[in-house]
Amino acid sequence: ELKVEQNPLFLSMQEGKNYTIYCNYSTTSDRLYWYRQDPGKSLESLFVLLSNGAVKQEGRLMASLDTKARLSTLHITAAVHDLSATYFCAVEETSGSRLTFGEGTQLTVNP
Amino acid sequence: DTAVSQTPKYLVTQMGNDKSIKCEQNLGHDTMYWYKQDSKKFLKIMFSYNNKELIINETVPNRFSPKSPDKAHLNLHINSLELGDSAVYFCASSQRGINEKLFFGSGTQLSVL
Repeated sequence: ELKVEQNPLFLSMQEGKNYTIYCNYSTTSDRLYWYRQDPGKSLESLFVLLSNGAVKQEGRLMASLDTKARLSTLHITAAVHDLSATYFCAVEETSGSRLTFGEGTQLTVNP
Repeated sequence: DTAVSQTPKYLVTQMGNDKSIKCEQNLGHDTMYWYKQDSKKFLKIMFSYNNKELIINETVPNRFSPKSPDKAHLNLHINSLELGDSAVYFCASSQRGINEKLFFGSGTQLSVL
């Protein structure tokens, strides 16, 4: 059974700082997704990573995928309050199969 | 304009009742899903339909029955509601064969009293 683990689960950081969220998964996959969820809201797709070495950037967020290490990272640069949300990674074991979500990382950016 | 819409947004009901949640997507996707998010925000897939055909049926109580009248709609009916069914239920859709990014509905917060 595919297991997806994120760490940290809770992250409180100051504006302007950098930090990385990690997503580890237990079986071979080359498809990984990052989603954002604001409190009381739905999930919004951030990044789709479809191959080893894939790197995607949007604003202050950058996601990467290392399929050999079974690891994805979501790097936050110079955090701002608007980035406060819960971030989920999700892994698709094989094409067309179900997505397994990590537990989520609740990020709070303090002024 | 909403891509994936589900109703109702909030559902408060008594134990033992039967309720339905409706979902519609106007993205032309061929695959739709139901996810359950518990109080700890853990997301777990319940069902998936591809072109009205059930393709994923996780271990959920058979009190939960999905129905897909066409590929744009996936409804969830729940019989004999229990306290443990309280959660947020998300509908989602995707297009197989592309990157299969999920588009989520706004969620239905179900509270069973």
